[in-house]
Amino acid sequence: KNEVEQSPQNLTAQEGEFITINCSYSVGISALHWLQQHPGGGIVSLFMLSSGKKKHGRLIATINIQEKHSSLHITASHPRDSAVYICAAKKGYSGGSNYKLTFGKGTLLTVNP
Amino acid sequence: GAGVSQSPRYKVAKRGQDVALRCDPISGHVSLFWYQQALGQGPEFLTYFQNEAQLDKSGLPSDRFFAERPEGSVSTLKIQRTQQEDSAVYLCASSLAAGPYSNQPQHFGDGTRLSIL
Repeated sequence: KNEVEQSPQNLTAQEGEFITINCSYSVGISALHWLQQHPGGGIVSLFMLSSGKKKHGRLIATINIQEKHSSLHITASHPRDSAVYICAAKKGYSGGSNYKLTFGKGTLLTVNP
Repeated sequence: GAGVSQSPRYKVAKRGQDVALRCDPISGHVSLFWYQQALGQGPEFLTYFQNEAQLDKSGLPSDRFFAERPEGSVSTLKIQRTQQEDSAVYLCASSLAAGPYSNQPQHFGDGTRLSIL
């Protein structure tokens, strides 16, 4: 079992829909990242969070430390949101190698007009 | 902008050739990471530098892979005697972090897409 699991693997939505992507992890973490990757490879960091909730524009990220679960929400989705969304866990301070990120496999989001 | 720059963006090589991939991190960033991303997968850790010191190379798949960062800035990932399974996107990331207790975000380059024929 991977240390970081994402669901769904693929997601197709209509423009305007509310999107949720889920991430579960099995290790103790100091932070969890949500990343966006467009075709061609470039990765953009969306959020880094260790507790609670963060919001940036139409994007919201939440994390529940006790349940080892995080969600990325996109409100009023738009075709330009189409990309691969990846969550990545940074291990906790007692876990050793706590500079490393362990990545999920990503969720391919397609938003149709 | 002064983001992480990787070159080349695309590299095609014949099996058995040596390749060198370059990463220019954000100026002043202490930490530098290399990742390998196979098609349809998430990135996987290869190696980590703090300044010029390679503190972790546990993710390098074989002794054909070698990374260096001699002056604590630009880094090069070299793959010798390339094989088809080396085909992947190689991503470089840098962060201001200077220790395990720092929670600075990593900034990624656009990657080098390597295809081995």
